[in-house]
Amino acid sequence: AQSVTQLGSHVSVSEGALVLLRCNYSSSVPPYLFWYVQYPNQGLQLLLKYTSAATLVKGINGFEAEFKKSETSFHLTKPSAHMSDAAEYFCAVSNQAGTALIFGKGTTLSVSS
Amino acid sequence: DAGVIQSPRHEVTEMGQEVTLRCKPISGHDYLFWYRQTMMRGLELLIYFNNNVPIDDSGMPEDRFSAKMPNASFSTLKIQPSEPRDSAVYFCASKRSDSGYSNQPQHFGDGTRLSIL
Repeated sequence: AQSVTQLGSHVSVSEGALVLLRCNYSSSVPPYLFWYVQYPNQGLQLLLKYTSAATLVKGINGFEAEFKKSETSFHLTKPSAHMSDAAEYFCAVSNQAGTALIFGKGTTLSVSS
Repeated sequence: DAGVIQSPRHEVTEMGQEVTLRCKPISGHDYLFWYRQTMMRGLELLIYFNNNVPIDDSGMPEDRFSAKMPNASFSTLKIQPSEPRDSAVYFCASKRSDSGYSNQPQHFGDGTRLSIL
């Protein structure tokens, strides 16, 4: 069965520091993986997606994620945090049929000046 | 392009009342999803449709919840009767079918914040 685990419900960084948000998945088929971001009082926005074309995926706002099959991981990184990056981040994996998403519980990113 | 449109954005009503949430998906998208988000449970998939047909409603919490999609551009989620524990943010999302090896992403509306007193 497909599942996603996000390690750390809350991550705090200083402005300019590296951002690392962890996501591990379980999938019985080659996975499709996604990262979404949610700002307060808004819906989820797609940051990036992995669909097997390349293991390093670049997304919007300077974020990227690397697919590591051996570690069943899809961690999200950004070299230098901005205050505007403060939000909740969700990792998701497609269900086996590829028709729906299974979301992790989310990680809240706080950025301090 | 217009995104997924949900209405109302906020709804406050008393316990026992009927609540109807509305969603207009992105034109050309043939999948539509309803989610519920709470602090306790996170983001839960309630039901999804493909070509207006419900495919999986296993996430619908109980018979008080029902969802319909009468046409490709409109869906409703109804709660009758409503209870305080239904208070949450309800999201609608849509996507187009996959093509080739590309899994299409879901696009989310801004949600309806529902408070049942």
